Amino acid sequence: QAGLTQPPSVSKVLRQTATLTCTGNSNNVGNQGALWLQQHQGHPPKLLSYRNNERPSGISERFSASRSGNTASLTITGLQPEDEAEYFCSAWDSDLRAWLFGVGTKLTVL
Amino acid sequence: EVHLVESGGGLIQPGGSLRISCVAAGFNFGAYGMNWVRQAPGKGLEWVSQISSGGSPPFYADSVKGRFTVYRDNDKDSLFLQMNNLRVEDTAVYYCVRGVLDYWGQGILVTVSS
Repeated sequence: QAGLTQPPSVSKVLRQTATLTCTGNSNNVGNQGALWLQQHQGHPPKLLSYRNNERPSGISERFSASRSGNTASLTITGLQPEDEAEYFCSAWDSDLRAWLFGVGTKLTVL
Repeated sequence: EVHLVESGGGLIQPGGSLRISCVAAGFNFGAYGMNWVRQAPGKGLEWVSQISSGGSPPFYADSVKGRFTVYRDNDKDSLFLQMNNLRVEDTAVYYCVRGVLDYWGQGILVTVSS
């Protein structure tokens, strides 16, 4: 099954803003929307955002998501050292009947 | 609080079989679809299978179709993955994941090697 497209790495300076992107097609991101997961080394992924910009309880308002057509975005404002992690997008594909993932974006906070 | 705890992983030879389990707590397990998602060492996430809350046929990734079977026991709040004809490329941490990927277990390592 094909995946979603994410840039492999993004580097930003402390307290700046990072925007991560995720591109799919009309059967997944463009239809069902995307969700975003954060994974620190050695830990399971944690849901940051779903239905494009719903945040689970306990997730900082510094994380916000949006979608335009077949591309979803995650914006992280006021970058902190603890934001350094791998970020995965995911979406349900209504044609493949499968969850698709992006390859993940490694965010480095300088 | 939602808890998902996997068990049953380990080292298995290619061609062998293994069953991994997940026990859920803190929510009405029977009301949720459940997934298995895996992550090979140093790699990204790969969805493996999804089973609905009840009745509908499960879905599988092409890479495991015909070899893996997902099933559940709602009376015991448990999810299972029966893995047959295992391959080296099935080596991964397997995560038990609720519904729309909102809660993840800690994962269990399955290593396929001779």
